[in-house]
Amino acid sequence: QVQLVESGGGVGQPGRALRLSCEASGIMFTAYAMHWVRQTPGKGLEWVASISHDGKYKFEADSVKGRFTISRDNPRSTLFLQLDSLRAEDTGIYYCAKDRRRIQRSDTFDLWGRGTLVTVSS
Amino acid sequence: DIQMTQSPSSLSASVGDRVTITCRASQNIRNLLNWYQEKPGKAPKLLIYVASSLQSGVPSRFSGGGSETEFNLTINSLEPEDFATYYCQQSYSRPSFGPGTKVDLK
Repeated sequence: QVQLVESGGGVGQPGRALRLSCEASGIMFTAYAMHWVRQTPGKGLEWVASISHDGKYKFEADSVKGRFTISRDNPRSTLFLQLDSLRAEDTGIYYCAKDRRRIQRSDTFDLWGRGTLVTVSS
Repeated sequence: DIQMTQSPSSLSASVGDRVTITCRASQNIRNLLNWYQEKPGKAPKLLIYVASSLQSGVPSRFSGGGSETEFNLTINSLEPEDFATYYCQQSYSRPSFGPGTKVDLK
């Protein structure tokens, strides 16, 4: 079955950390760039970070640069997002998404997971 | 950063109606514009990419058009399963989304 399943969300205190995972199945994970997109009450849908198919290149939104780190484990078909120095405005649903194009990133998201909820609160 | 706007922010329609949503970019993005459908509790779904290409498996009643800074998504003959929120997204530079258009039942 072709799907992406996120996990790792929950309640995190301001300044603390969370680690999100996204397990892919039914796709050739190693062939595609992958992305994290979040939906927050304040900003709607917001692109968070992207990683190339081989993990060599990473890109983050300015709003999370220096705090969030994207990574991947290709043998395990798993994408990660490390969220450090959490802020209240990071509260939202975090989706992982697959790039539509093989190898070369297109920033078009043709497969999404159902998301995992992150709540930042003391 | 490229700013995306959508109009209207919401609309009410009936089954069988033709619906058009407009998306505008703050600068020329050529045809690098995508449309997504979102329903509560479900994964967002890609409908249209590069402005007018229909994603595999998406019904042909969905169509997209436009270029540079103005784009549109049209749903011909609205079906009950089409009541949802629709987002545009530019892939010309760092990805950014429009604020969404909610289509609900009149």
